[in-house]
Amino acid sequence: DTAVSQTPKYLVTQMGNDKSIKCEQNLGHDTMYWYKQDSKKFLKIMFSYNNKELIINETVPNRFSPKSPDKAHLNLHINSLELGDSAVYFCASSQRDWGQGYNEQFFGPGTRLTVL
Amino acid sequence: AQSVTQLDSQVPVFEEAPVELRCNYSSSVSVYLFWYVQYPNQGLQLLLKYLSGSTLVKGINGFEAEFNKSQTSFHLRKPSVHISDTAEYFCAVTYGQNFVFGPGTRLSVLP
Repeated sequence: DTAVSQTPKYLVTQMGNDKSIKCEQNLGHDTMYWYKQDSKKFLKIMFSYNNKELIINETVPNRFSPKSPDKAHLNLHINSLELGDSAVYFCASSQRDWGQGYNEQFFGPGTRLTVL
Repeated sequence: AQSVTQLDSQVPVFEEAPVELRCNYSSSVSVYLFWYVQYPNQGLQLLLKYLSGSTLVKGINGFEAEFNKSQTSFHLRKPSVHISDTAEYFCAVTYGQNFVFGPGTRLSVLP
């Protein structure tokens, strides 16, 4: 009964390949996110979806494409992988509070991507 | 642009000593404030949050934080740390559709 799950946990691949990371939440939240955490532990938001609609799309190469088939899932597809894509990718979800913003985010365990 | 500052990138402290991790944010509007902890090779876990009400917030594992609106700060404190508190700590702010994390503070508890 994991709240936010990601697969796979580890992903090792060659440069130029295409890969996907899947994320699912069973919390009934209406918003999901993808973050990239670099080797210095800095968290950078990449995308955010609210009710399957893209609401945040930070400056990310267009090789990265999120897909939200429904409110509970947000997958991340990466084309033509590069060395610099090596990082830990976290999925998160939250419920929008129409009063002031968003309540806390619940994070998945992360996917460690290594590009060789 | 809104931002979150964590002034100390690394904080070493001896076991059973008190610790304060500092967080400041830039916002002129009402915000929600959070502290998250990330243990080695794990995801982020919520320590505590401030939404409204009492400015002193208590969280898990003996941590607490105080919201100071005039100083736009939300510092995290623990009166006596344990080796197991060694981790990365992130302050975060949400307002409107924005959710901003600070750069993190590495807390190292020494025996």
